[in-house]
Order: sequence, then C-alpha cells, then structure tokens
Amino acid sequence: EPEVTQTPSHQVTQMGQEVILRCVPISNHLYFYWYRQILGQKVEFLVSFYNNEISEKSEIFDDQFSVERPDGSNFTLKIRSTKLEDSAMYFCASRGRSGEAFFGQGTRLTVV
Amino acid sequence: RKEVEQDPGPFNVPEGATVAFNCTYSNSASQSFFWYRQDCRKEPKLLMSVYSSGNEDGRFTAQLNRASQYISLLIRDSKLSDSATYLCVVTVSGGYQKVTFGTGTKLQVIP
Repeated sequence: EPEVTQTPSHQVTQMGQEVILRCVPISNHLYFYWYRQILGQKVEFLVSFYNNEISEKSEIFDDQFSVERPDGSNFTLKIRSTKLEDSAMYFCASRGRSGEAFFGQGTRLTVV
Repeated sequence: RKEVEQDPGPFNVPEGATVAFNCTYSNSASQSFFWYRQDCRKEPKLLMSVYSSGNEDGRFTAQLNRASQYISLLIRDSKLSDSATYLCVVTVSGGYQKVTFGTGTKLQVIP
C-alpha cells in the first residue's frame, strides 16, 4: 500500500536554528499539506501546496516558514529560526483528485 | 463560527456501549467528509468516508446531513481498542482541495 513517509521521526534543535522537515508524498497525488499538532492539542493546518505553489496558508505559517517541492518527489517544510513554541508534531499529508488525505507518521520537533 | 466543530469530550463509556459523535461544518460548499482516528502521539488515520446516503462499516455508522451541515459517527458495542480521538474532516474543492480538521473528540472505553 502506498504511504507518505516523513523524515526524521524526531528532531531536536536549539532555539534560533533552522530545521528542514522532509516528506515524500504518494507519487501520483496532487495536493500536499503540512499540519502541526502541539502535544495534547488539535491538529492545526499550516499550508497547502498545489501545482507547485502555495494554495493556502494559515496564520501560523508566517515568514519563518517555507515549503518547497524541489524535485517532484520530496516536499519540505523549513523553519528558518525556530522558537520554543514551534515544538510540536508536524504531519505531512497528500491527496489525490478526490478522496481522503493520507498522513505520514510525523516528525516530532523539539526546540530547546 | 469555526469551520469544523466537534465536542472535545472526553466521552467515557463502558465496554459494549453505543456512543455517537457529531460534527458541524460551516461551509455549505463542503464536498467530502471523513472520520479519522488518531491514537496518542500517532498520525491521523482514515476510519471511514461519509457518504450522502450514510454508510456502515462493521460496528461503525457514519451519516451526513447536508441541510443541517453536520455529520455523525456511531460506534456500537464499544471495545477497549476504540479508545482514541476521533477527528471530523471536511474538504472543500476550489482551485485546490482544502482539508479542514475538527478539534477531535476523545473517546475512552472503560472495562
């Protein structure tokens, strides 16, 4: 069964450092998403990506965040200068033309 | 009004009980509806899609009421393994597909 894969599974970084979270979506999917979930809280939408550009972003997705799909397979989320409050689980998801979104297993980001 | 609203719970029910969750959505242009299940510290996983005519999968029944803009999930004969957070997910199609999550409803099935 095709799946979305995310790396690393856990990343610890110092405040102010840049991190890149990587995702390999399902190959024939068209829509790509990043979500985050702070421990014990709800799943929050960050950004959606379609046709090689951002289609929508939330208030959380400020100038510190960026996304790329550099080579047609990887889909990355970059946080330029991490803050303590960026500590969360980050989920990547992809979706075909219709139907459900498939999620990766997440990257747990800990900012210290 | 939030785009997708759920009662966060927790719902504490004994094994064997029937439990129902509701979810309301605000965008009348919403097209696809799903229930996901999320276990602690894991990714959300699809439980079932929700069709206009309603659908059933074993002990789980999902229904959609477009007029009132809500969907429901009914779990019969609850098992301990049903303990999880149940997320209502709604998609809207435009130039792209917006996928919006509810806050989730936590279910705890008690022996």
